[in-house]
Order: sequence, then C-alpha cells, then structure tokens
Amino acid sequence: QQQVKQSPQSLIVQKGGISIINCAYENTAFDYFPWYQQFPGKGPALLIAIRPDVSEKKEGRFTISFNKSAKQFSLHIMDSQPGDSATYFCAASNEGGSQGNLIFGKGTKLSVKP
Amino acid sequence: DAGVTQSPTHLIKTRGQQVTLRCSPKSGHDTVSWYQQALGQGPQFIFQYYEEEERQRGNFPDRFSGHQFPNYSSELNVNALLLGDSALYLCASSFGYGANVLTFGAGSRLTVL
Repeated sequence: QQQVKQSPQSLIVQKGGISIINCAYENTAFDYFPWYQQFPGKGPALLIAIRPDVSEKKEGRFTISFNKSAKQFSLHIMDSQPGDSATYFCAASNEGGSQGNLIFGKGTKLSVKP
Repeated sequence: DAGVTQSPTHLIKTRGQQVTLRCSPKSGHDTVSWYQQALGQGPQFIFQYYEEEERQRGNFPDRFSGHQFPNYSSELNVNALLLGDSALYLCASSFGYGANVLTFGAGSRLTVL
C-alpha cells in the first residue's frame, strides 16, 4: 500500500518558469512533510519541510503548500533554473510514532531547459 | 564538518552471497537509519538504530540485519542475496531518538548478478 502518492513522474520546465510537484497522503497521523532533492550519484538532501499547523512555508524560491483537509501538499519552485534539474521526493512521517521512519513518494524528475 | 559517509560506494555480488555495508553518521548525530532505493523509486525504510539497538523496522525480511557501534557508526548486512536486492542503499543519520530530520549519505550501489 503506497501511503504517499507523488505526481507527475517527470516534469520539463523552461528556465524562469514555475515547477509544481504534488503529493497526496493517506495516513492522517502524519505530522511532518519534507521535500528532498536528489542529484545523480548523490543521496537525497532535505530541501524544505512543513508541519500541519501551517498552510504554507516559503524558503527562497521554494514554497510548500499544505491542504490538511484534502490530505495534499505541493512543492512550488519559482524562477526555475537549470541547476534545479534533479529528482524531487516528497515524504511524510508521524514524528511521535515512527521515530524517523519517512515514507517517500516515488519521485519527480525535473528538467529545467535553458 | 563531514557529513554521512558510506562505504563501499559500489560493489558487485552474486546470488546467495552476503554483503556488509558501512556508515559513519554526521558529527553530533547518534541515530542511524538505513533505506533501500531501487532504480527509479523512492527510498524505502529498512531499519533504525539508536543506542546500539534496532528501534524500528520496515517491511524487510530478516535476511537484512544491522548493527550500531558505540561510536554511532553502523553496518547493514544482507544474507543470501537475491537479484531483487540490487539497489542503492542509503544511510541517514539524525540526532536523538524520534527525530525525523535526516541527513543522507551518497549511498552504496549494490549490484547482484
């Protein structure tokens, strides 16, 4: 049973455009929602994370939007750059119950064209 | 400040063999988690070690075992390798039991022939 569903599988955006990646979760006990960025040959690196007490979090060009009632959250990359080309993973966990057990989506491969 | 270091970076084994992967956590971290990332998929949780004990385990058979040493480093052992064990094995460290802000290493790429 896939607990975190991520879409799209791949995304091509022009430089300067907005990249949007969506995730949906099933377990209402999840209370921590991070996004990870992974470049080829590297491990995932934490990009930005949100907890369900807020609906939006922004860090530079990266914004997470969170809809608790719909059990959905999304990553928006503003002014996308070729250096943003990577695979992005959403994840979720129950901080109190899972003790670091992150459930990952299947990933979105983003290509930003110059 | 060194991050999470893993060794070896690549290795090739044959079916039925055993493999040991190693991980040194980020300085100041005391908890180590292991994940398996199949090609084109997201990482899947294998298990987590804290205070030298396995604290939580994902849906993996007991062919997968681990160990944490007093210096917080960790090993992942896989016995009776199957073709389906071919994957990138990621080690992640964090501070404190229950913390879920993870720092990942670059992984060990295992190919089973």
